[in-house]
Amino acid sequence: ELKVEQNPLFLSMQEGKNYTIYCNYSTTSDRLYWYRQDPGKSLESLFVLLSNGAVKQEGRLMASLDTKARLSTLHITAAVHDLSATYFCAVDVYLFGNEKLTFGTGTRLTIIP
Amino acid sequence: EAGVTQFPSHSVIEKGQTVTLRCDPISGHDNLYWYRRVMGKEIKFLLHFVKESKQDESGMPNNRFLAERTGGTYSTLKVQPAELEDSGVYFCASRRTGGRYGYTFGSGTRLTVV
Repeated sequence: ELKVEQNPLFLSMQEGKNYTIYCNYSTTSDRLYWYRQDPGKSLESLFVLLSNGAVKQEGRLMASLDTKARLSTLHITAAVHDLSATYFCAVDVYLFGNEKLTFGTGTRLTIIP
Repeated sequence: EAGVTQFPSHSVIEKGQTVTLRCDPISGHDNLYWYRRVMGKEIKFLLHFVKESKQDESGMPNNRFLAERTGGTYSTLKVQPAELEDSGVYFCASRRTGGRYGYTFGSGTRLTVV
């Protein structure tokens, strides 16, 4: 069974600081997603990482993928308050004709002014 | 393009009652998924429709849960009878068929069983 471990579960950081969220998964995947969720809202797709060494950046967020280590990271640079949300990684696996996402537990990020 | 719509956004029911959740996917998306997040844990897969057919229902917790997608358009997820442990947020997602298409999620239905 595919396991996706995300840490930390909770992260409280000051504005202007840098931090990294980690996502480890237990088996080969086809794609890795990072999502953001604001309270009561849908899951917003931030990044899709397809191959080993992939790095994508959008504003203060940067995601990377190491398929050999089965590790993805979401790095936050110079955090600002509006980045406060819950972040999920999810591994997309295609197996026996079925394709579905397996999620990590999520990281609740709170940016303190 | 309109997004994935879920209804209701919130539902509070008593243990033993029945609740039906609805998901309207994006038009043209053959794939429809149901997921659930219980008590701050990870979001877990429930089932996957391709058009009107159940492709994978391995995540359905028990036979109190019944999902349908008549005509391959919207889907319903019925919980009957509801138990306390069914409380959580139920997400629906849709996706086009094909290797490079991502998932679009609805905003979820928060179900509270009291």
